[in-house]
Amino acid sequence: GQNIDQPTEMTATEGAIVQINCTYQTSGFNGLFWYQQHAGEAPTFLSYNVLDGLEEKGRFSSFLSRSKGYSYLLLKELQMKDSASYLCAVMDSNYQLIWGAGTKLIIKP
Amino acid sequence: DVKVTQSSRYLVKRTGEKVFLECVQDMDHENMFWYRQDPGLGLRLIYFSYDVKMKEKGDIPEGYSVSREKKERFSLILESASTNQTSMYLCASSYSNSGANVLTFGAGSRLTVL
Repeated sequence: GQNIDQPTEMTATEGAIVQINCTYQTSGFNGLFWYQQHAGEAPTFLSYNVLDGLEEKGRFSSFLSRSKGYSYLLLKELQMKDSASYLCAVMDSNYQLIWGAGTKLIIKP
Repeated sequence: DVKVTQSSRYLVKRTGEKVFLECVQDMDHENMFWYRQDPGLGLRLIYFSYDVKMKEKGDIPEGYSVSREKKERFSLILESASTNQTSMYLCASSYSNSGANVLTFGAGSRLTVL
């Protein structure tokens, strides 16, 4: 079966760095997505990785290792507004998205 | 600046009622999707559509149907609502059906079935 694993909840301090991991087992691979979802709001696109390595976009970076079935989202200089759920999703060989349950990130002052 | 609009944010319905959830996008996207989001689970795809009058079943289509009469509008229909359909329903759209298929989501419709 297809599976995406990510931690249920993480806590970090304002101004710090946090890494949210995502491991996957899917039928084929056509890219990995990270979305951010604030409570009661729509998920919004953060990043897309299809090749191994690190993609940096401002305070957020996303890393992919296809051989290990592993990705992480790195958030630097955390701000209170980064409190949200972070959703990992993998596009399989049929171009269908398989979603993780999301990681709720709590930022403390 | 709203791009995907879901007509109802909150609905309360009774078991057996027919429920319509409307979704409209203004980005001229070909693809539209309906997901449900439940605590502790990943998003689950109910139905999707790659073109007008076209629909495909997702992972959990039972108890649901959809309609896409116009490119910008994708409706989800619960013919006879049941309590296990209490959930958050998310509509999404995207431009292409391969490659980096970035989804734009609506804010969601939270349905409670009593």
